[in-house]
Amino acid sequence: AQKVTQAQTEISVVEKEDVTLDCVYETRDTTYYLFWYKQPPSGELVFLIRRNSFDEQNEISGRYSWNFQKSTSSFNFTITASQVVDSAVYFCALRDTGKLIFGQGTTLQVKP
Amino acid sequence: SAVISQKPSRDICQRGTSLTIQCQVDSQVTMMFWYRQQPGQSLTLIATANQGSEATYESGFVIDKFPISRPNLTFSTLTVSNMSPEDSSIYLCSVGPGGTEAFFGQGTRLTVV
Repeated sequence: AQKVTQAQTEISVVEKEDVTLDCVYETRDTTYYLFWYKQPPSGELVFLIRRNSFDEQNEISGRYSWNFQKSTSSFNFTITASQVVDSAVYFCALRDTGKLIFGQGTTLQVKP
Repeated sequence: SAVISQKPSRDICQRGTSLTIQCQVDSQVTMMFWYRQQPGQSLTLIATANQGSEATYESGFVIDKFPISRPNLTFSTLTVSNMSPEDSSIYLCSVGPGGTEAFFGQGTRLTVV
């Protein structure tokens, strides 16, 4: 069965610290897609990244970076020099025949 | 990419009533998805809506409670029927054009009193 696990329920850091959000997935498919979304208090889901299973290159976008490792079925997300505006709930998701299977989410609180 | 307009953005409803949520996409898509997010929880798929056929519901969700319409390739509605406080959630529609992407509407924050 397809499954996404975000073991960290809540993380609290002080501004400018680096923080890594973990995501572990389970799938029997050889081709699959992984996603990260940010959900601020307003409730909308903000798309951050999509990664397909054939591309294991790490990606960096500004202060955000993602580490995809098929060997450990992990797709971790790092925020460098965190800011208060990064405070939100972050979801990792796996695409399964069109629909998304979400992890439980990690609430990140960045304190000034 | 796809731009999704979802409305209403929020509503407060009396128990026993129904609310219809609309989802409009700026391009034609085969499948549209409806998710529910209960307070403090993750997102759970309610159903998949295909144009021209009945929606496919996930375990735990039934058509009588969450009827869905899909009249064309750019529009869908989800109705939350006979509401109770347990239905208070964020409801989101989503599309995945091309089979690899996933875009979401702004969400409808529903409070049932």
